[in-house]
Amino acid sequence: DAGVIQSPRHEVTEMGQEVTLRCKPISGHNSLFWYRQTMMRGLELLIYFNNNVPIDDSGMPEDRFSAKMPNASFSTLKIQPSEPRDSAVYFCASSLGRRSSYEQYFGPGTRLTVT
Amino acid sequence: AQSVTQPDIHITVSEGASLELRCNYSYGATPYLFWYVQSPGQGLQLLLKYFSGDTLVQGIKGFEAEFKRSQSSFNLRKPSVHWSDAAEYFCAVEGSQGNLIFGKGTKLSVKP
Repeated sequence: DAGVIQSPRHEVTEMGQEVTLRCKPISGHNSLFWYRQTMMRGLELLIYFNNNVPIDDSGMPEDRFSAKMPNASFSTLKIQPSEPRDSAVYFCASSLGRRSSYEQYFGPGTRLTVT
Repeated sequence: AQSVTQPDIHITVSEGASLELRCNYSYGATPYLFWYVQSPGQGLQLLLKYFSGDTLVQGIKGFEAEFKRSQSSFNLRKPSVHWSDAAEYFCAVEGSQGNLIFGKGTKLSVKP
């Protein structure tokens, strides 16, 4: 298995632009997580899906952020409009179940820079 | 609310020396605890986890961790560090929603 795939690996954009981050989970996994990593706040859970349904989006910073999972093999995290404070590394992870007893497998991350 | 504290931001050890990374958690019941490692430019990889039973758990890459309820700690150890162990290490606890709550991480540097 190729593991969790994220694209792009790096994204540089100007403030106000729309940014879309993509994730392909491991085949057969039914839970998908989006995290954001910054120096100041560490690793934060933004949202997670179980069987393509958003379960908890309380970590999504504000309405500028949205996430979708149209099918079991694809998810997107969109920021519109982007701001410099959104600069971070965004990780996608997948697992066989929503509980932490199931190991989460992380993708390599997308490093987002908003200028 | 559950939380995790990793008191050391950065630790440097010599290759071949022993290692202990500290982790303290805040949780009302018996916690599910985890250690993850993040190599530069990579995602996180699970090293080991504790759910119940034996308080000393073995993980991959020669790491182990000991759960001490009285101290609310779950410290990670390795008897002899290799240069390839240089990375950032994250302790995590399961949150009330079944999600993971991570500490801020400890960056490990290894001197030759």
